[in-house]
Amino acid sequence: EIVMTQSPATLSVSPGERATLSCRASQTVGSNLAWYQQKPGQAPRLLIYGASTRATGVPARFSGSGSGTEFTLTISSLQSDDFAVYYCQQYNNWLRYTFGQGTQLEIK
Amino acid sequence: QVHLVQSGAEVKKPGSSVKVSCEASGGTFSSDVVTWVRQAPGQGLEWMGATIFMFGTTNYAQKFQDRVTISADEATTASYMELRSLRSEDTAVYYCARGRTKYEAPLGYFDLWGRGTLVTVSS
Repeated sequence: EIVMTQSPATLSVSPGERATLSCRASQTVGSNLAWYQQKPGQAPRLLIYGASTRATGVPARFSGSGSGTEFTLTISSLQSDDFAVYYCQQYNNWLRYTFGQGTQLEIK
Repeated sequence: QVHLVQSGAEVKKPGSSVKVSCEASGGTFSSDVVTWVRQAPGQGLEWMGATIFMFGTTNYAQKFQDRVTISADEATTASYMELRSLRSEDTAVYYCARGRTKYEAPLGYFDLWGRGTLVTVSS
């Protein structure tokens, strides 16, 4: 099983600043990496797939990068609506998926 | 526009089973992948398993291999997740989510989610 490790567990950032979230895979997953945002009481929302492609309707301030085992989600100029939990998910193998443990992005 | 409608909250006794449904309202799952993900209170997302409707192929996370069954109706409008031998640690919100396929292969990410079904296991 591919283990996904996210860091940090909690990130405190001020509105208007940049946030950088990391995700590491225990073995290479190529570009088969997605990012989701989850707000309290809501289902996850797909933000990024293919490591760097924004899903439909996702603002341009969200960007993803990386390949292989190291991935980054960057949110430029944080807005109040962006404070949430973010998860990465690998999908390198057919129907064998795993999520990271999440990063809580909180207001500083 | 398709959205996913899940069945209502359940309260179960330890040792019993629960079956949660996920209906594709406004469409079908005929060319889709449906996955099931759970989230214990205050915890992260945990992938349980997924099925490709067009092939009837299903795979499960090793942790749940012996206790979970994901199935579908013949009309490909609903997916079901049954979890057996329930214990208190299975108390969680269970989500279904849809992924698309391309050239008959799963894309692997999930762009449409149900609202979740709370399953509480308590004596």
